[in-house]
Amino acid sequence: EDKVVQSPLSLVVHEGDTVTLNCSYEVTNFRSLLWYKQEKKAPTFLFMLTSSGIEKKSGRLSSILDKKELFSILNITATQTGDSAIYLCAVESKGDSSYKLIFGSGTRLLVRP
Amino acid sequence: DVKVTQSSRYLVKRTGEKVFLECVQDMDHENMFWYRQDPGLGLRLIYFSYDVKMKEKGDIPEGYSVSREKKERFSLILESASTNQTSMYLCASTKGVSRGYTFGSGTRLTVV
Repeated sequence: EDKVVQSPLSLVVHEGDTVTLNCSYEVTNFRSLLWYKQEKKAPTFLFMLTSSGIEKKSGRLSSILDKKELFSILNITATQTGDSAIYLCAVESKGDSSYKLIFGSGTRLLVRP
Repeated sequence: DVKVTQSSRYLVKRTGEKVFLECVQDMDHENMFWYRQDPGLGLRLIYFSYDVKMKEKGDIPEGYSVSREKKERFSLILESASTNQTSMYLCASTKGVSRGYTFGSGTRLTVV
C-alpha cells in the first residue's frame, strides 16, 4: 500500500530558529514529490522534486530529495511568525491512465515571536 | 490567474441528506481530484477523474460518488450524508504532465 509519512506531526519554535521537516515515502511508480504550505485555506505549492540530490531553494525555504533512501526534507531558516502553517508532503504516483497525489498527514509548525 | 472554485465555503447538512459538492476549474485541466482533510490524517483521496465521464476510486471512496459530465466541472456526491463525513473537502486539478496541483479553497461540511 502506498504511504507517505511526515515527521514531526507538530513543532513549536521561536522566531529565528531553523527547522527541518521530514517526509518518507513508499510509493509504486514514483513520479515526483511535492511540498505544500497550508494556512487557513487551500494548500499552496512550494516545491516539486523529481531528481535526487538537487536542492530546490526559494528564499528561506529549501528542499532536497533522496530517491535511494525514499525521503525528502524541507528546511526553513530564520523562521518568522508568517511561516506558521501546516506543511504537507505529497508524492505523485503514475497509474495506468493518470496520476494521483498521495499526501502525508502534515507537520503543523507554530513559530512564536 | 488560474482558478479552482468550490461552490460553498461552509455547509451544514442533516444525516441522510443527499449532498452535492461542486468544483469548477478554468484551466482546461484533464485531471481533477477530490480529497478530504481531517486532523492528524492529512489529505486522503476520495475519487479522481482524468477525463470527461471517466472516474477512478481513490483510497476512501465508500459513501461517495462523483460526476464529470464536463471537463471543467467535477462533482462529489454524498448519497446519504453521515456524521463521519463531517470534514474539510478539497478539490484539485492538474494538467496531464504536472507542475503542481491547483487546489480550491475547500468546503467545510458539517453533518448533524
